Amino acid sequence: DAGITQSPRHKVTETGTPVTLRCHQTENHRYMYWYRQDPGHGLRLIHYSYGVKDTDKGEVSDGYSVSRSKTEDFLLTLESATSSQTSVYFCATGPGLYEQYFGPGTRLTVT
Amino acid sequence: KQEVTQIPAALSVPEGENLVLNCSFTDSAIYNLQWFRQDPGKGLTSLLLIQSSQREQTSGRLNASLDKSSGRSTLYIAASQPGDSATYLCAGYTGTASKLTFGTGTRLQVTL
Repeated sequence: DAGITQSPRHKVTETGTPVTLRCHQTENHRYMYWYRQDPGHGLRLIHYSYGVKDTDKGEVSDGYSVSRSKTEDFLLTLESATSSQTSVYFCATGPGLYEQYFGPGTRLTVT
Repeated sequence: KQEVTQIPAALSVPEGENLVLNCSFTDSAIYNLQWFRQDPGKGLTSLLLIQSSQREQTSGRLNASLDKSSGRSTLYIAASQPGDSATYLCAGYTGTASKLTFGTGTRLQVTL
């Protein structure tokens, strides 16, 4: 949806390197989310944020950390990338708890 | 645990047909329900959001309904077009912000 951008859009990295994905929104939405999408697993929540500096874990948070220092930016960091983290990563934002709007995605390949 | 099933998993129709996509959920304690479409290699585009107090929403050729008592939502697409070809996902909100459960998806192809 308009107003949500993700960078980079594509990235290839090597096993063991740290990687940071950025989500930027211009909607002033309070809630922000990181998901990964994999064949056979659908969309799974990694972490979410319910305000600046307020974050919590989702169902697949191991190996990932997040930070949100301002309303518009939500960063996802893979501390030491592994091949199992090869995926498409989506950021989403929401003005309230019960609606979400998605960014265009980042395709990450870990070799 | 909320489970969301979409039937059919895949559907092919000729252009101009009206069609219905189904979404069933196991936990009727659902807040909002949202329908998305996803084109290959792209992100999710929000189509319709049905809030807890509503029974349906309409946008152009799309109409979505929600019946919490029966655990079902339907997405009706009128006069289908080739540009409607995509995967359609329903997603239900229960509990806290972390509890958005996506359906299994319906892959729609509209042929000329």
